[in-house]
Amino acid sequence: AQTVTQSQPEMSVQEAETVTLSCTYDTSENNYYLFWYKQPPSRQMILVIRQEAYKQQNATENRFSVNFQKAAKSFSLKISDSQLGDTAMYFCAFSWGGADGLTFGKGTHLIIQP
Amino acid sequence: GAGVSQTPSNKVTEKGKYVELRCDPISGHTALYWYRQSLGQGPEFLIYFQGTGAADDSGLPNDRFFAVRPEGSVSTLKIQRTERGDSAVYLCASSLGGGKGYTFGSGTRLTVV
Repeated sequence: AQTVTQSQPEMSVQEAETVTLSCTYDTSENNYYLFWYKQPPSRQMILVIRQEAYKQQNATENRFSVNFQKAAKSFSLKISDSQLGDTAMYFCAFSWGGADGLTFGKGTHLIIQP
Repeated sequence: GAGVSQTPSNKVTEKGKYVELRCDPISGHTALYWYRQSLGQGPEFLIYFQGTGAADDSGLPNDRFFAVRPEGSVSTLKIQRTERGDSAVYLCASSLGGGKGYTFGSGTRLTVV
C-alpha cells in the first residue's frame, strides 16, 4: 500500500515570498504519478501540478514548481512570488500508473499574509 | 458537462436514515471515483468505477455503503443506517484514466445528527 506524508500541518509566509511545501511517499512501484492539489474553502480540489515518475525533469506551472527526488521518495512544491489567492489547503497525492484512485497526504494549510 | 457536478451541496440527516449522494462526471470520462474527507484530513478513497462496473471498492468502510453507476455516467453513493461518524465531505472525481489527472466536484457535506 502507498502512503503519503506531509509533515507541515500549517505554514504562513508574507505575500511575494517563496514557500516550499514538503511531501514524502512510500511505494514499491516504479511507474506512478504524483500530484499537488489546492483546496480552497469552496472545497473543490484544484490540480496545481502533476509529475510522472519516469520523467526526470521537474514539472513547472508558472509560479509553481516541484523538486522530485525519486530515490528519496520526496516531492516538494515550491510557490514563487506567493499571492493572497494562494491561501488554501494543499494536498500531495500519489497514483499508481493505472487508473486507480489517489492516495492523499493529510494536507498543509498555507496562509499568505498581506 | 463542463465540470463534475455533485448534489446536494449539503445534506443534514438524522442518525439511522438512508441518504443518496449524486455525482455527474465530465462527459466522456470513463473513470469515476468517490472519496470521503473528514474534518482536518485528506480525502480517503472509497470506490472507483471504470464504466458501469466497480473496479475497486476496497475503500468502502462497511456494508452500509454502496455505490452504483448503471449507465456509465452518473453515479450515486448510498449510505444506509447513517451514523454520526459518517459525517464528512464526500468528493467525487472523474478521469480519462491512466494518471492523466482527476477533476473533482465541490463535494457534498453530509452531517448526521
